[in-house]
Amino acid sequence: DGGITQSPKYLFRKEGQNVTLSCEQNLNHDAMYWYRQDPGQGLRLIYYSQIVNDFQKGDIAEGYSVSREKKESFPLTVTSAQKNPTAFYLCASSIDAGSGTEAFFGQGTRLTVV
Amino acid sequence: AQTVTQSQPEMSVQEAETVTLSCTYDTSESDYYLFWYKQPPSRQMILVIRQEAYKQQNATENRFSVNFQKAAKSFSLKISDSQLGDAAMYFCAYSHNNNDMRFGAGTRLTVKP
Repeated sequence: DGGITQSPKYLFRKEGQNVTLSCEQNLNHDAMYWYRQDPGQGLRLIYYSQIVNDFQKGDIAEGYSVSREKKESFPLTVTSAQKNPTAFYLCASSIDAGSGTEAFFGQGTRLTVV
Repeated sequence: AQTVTQSQPEMSVQEAETVTLSCTYDTSESDYYLFWYKQPPSRQMILVIRQEAYKQQNATENRFSVNFQKAAKSFSLKISDSQLGDAAMYFCAYSHNNNDMRFGAGTRLTVKP
């Protein structure tokens, strides 16, 4: 089955630690995205990548980093510089970044700082 | 920057009845795309319906239809013959290019049996 896989589903992090969220897609999509979802705020764009080895900051990139070494993979690292990392994180992909096509989403990762 | 506003944090509807969810947006672009996504309790985002701004005809997908008013920058979702499985968070989204897809804060829809 084609789709987007995020892992883990739940993640706990101690303050001061970096943590990496995994996102893998087998849809052969060029574009991939990371969103953060907080209650009452909808989805906010963290980073996006239109092609391998290229990525751009979204609205709330501070405290986050990404890489895009393979077309299928777009991991997100939440660094210790992110002051309020507890949230639900969604990864998405689309065929490309310019045609207004549907974005397909993973099932999300719930990150909690303990 | 483009913004998307959903003014109804919560809505409820009786099973088999019709409900309309509101969405307004702000943009200076003339060519863009609008979406409604559904997020059930599983939190999996699912596309409900998509509208291209250059098309005057309102999009329809089975029981779901939109009322797209370009001049008013309004994009409401009508759900007909509501079913229990329609209960979810609904997000309105705007995209000029996919890399700037903007979402509203969401409307939680409850369906009463």
